[in-house]
Amino acid sequence: IAGITQAPTSQILAAGRRMTLRCTQDMRHNAMYWYRQDLGLGLRLIHYSNTAGTTGKGEVPDGYSVSRANTDDFPLTLASAVPSQTSVYFCASSPQGNTEAFFGQGTRLTVV
Amino acid sequence: GQNIDQPTEMTATEGAIVQINCTYQTSGFNGLFWYQQHAGEAPTFLSYNVLDGLEEKGRFSSFLSRSKGYSYLLLKELQMKDSASYLCAVMDSNYQLIWGAGTKLIIKP
Repeated sequence: IAGITQAPTSQILAAGRRMTLRCTQDMRHNAMYWYRQDLGLGLRLIHYSNTAGTTGKGEVPDGYSVSRANTDDFPLTLASAVPSQTSVYFCASSPQGNTEAFFGQGTRLTVV
Repeated sequence: GQNIDQPTEMTATEGAIVQINCTYQTSGFNGLFWYQQHAGEAPTFLSYNVLDGLEEKGRFSSFLSRSKGYSYLLLKELQMKDSASYLCAVMDSNYQLIWGAGTKLIIKP
């Protein structure tokens, strides 16, 4: 089924541990995004990639890194998790930067 | 700074009409999006406005006034399944989406 897939669906992580959230899309979209969603706040952009091989920082990039080695995959890494990174993380993709975005099902991350 | 404002919560009755407002102040404008998000699920696209006026799509319509920095989402013939959060997002001059916090819509029988 065409779409965008995130893994894991949920995770409890000890503070200080390293964690990679996976995101894969099979729609051949150029642009991909990582957002976090916290209660009472809008979606906040962490990092984005307009095309394979390029990445950029969003509104809240500190503590996170990304890579875009190919069109399909856009992993998000937390180098050393902290409790403030407890959130729901959404990966999204769009054909190009100014079109509607398609979202993955989300990863609920709890850092303890 | 950039800002998107929308009401936190609204309540409406099944079969009725509800209007969810969104005002924005952003650095540049390349379109306004509305998304629907059911609890525990991902946002899904509803509408896109880049020119002033009303866009109708079935029971849902979206209006934009760029001069007023204002949009609304109109939902007609409300159904229980319309209970969800509705997210307003503006694409700025860098083609980045700026998101409002969302409006939680509660539908009562």
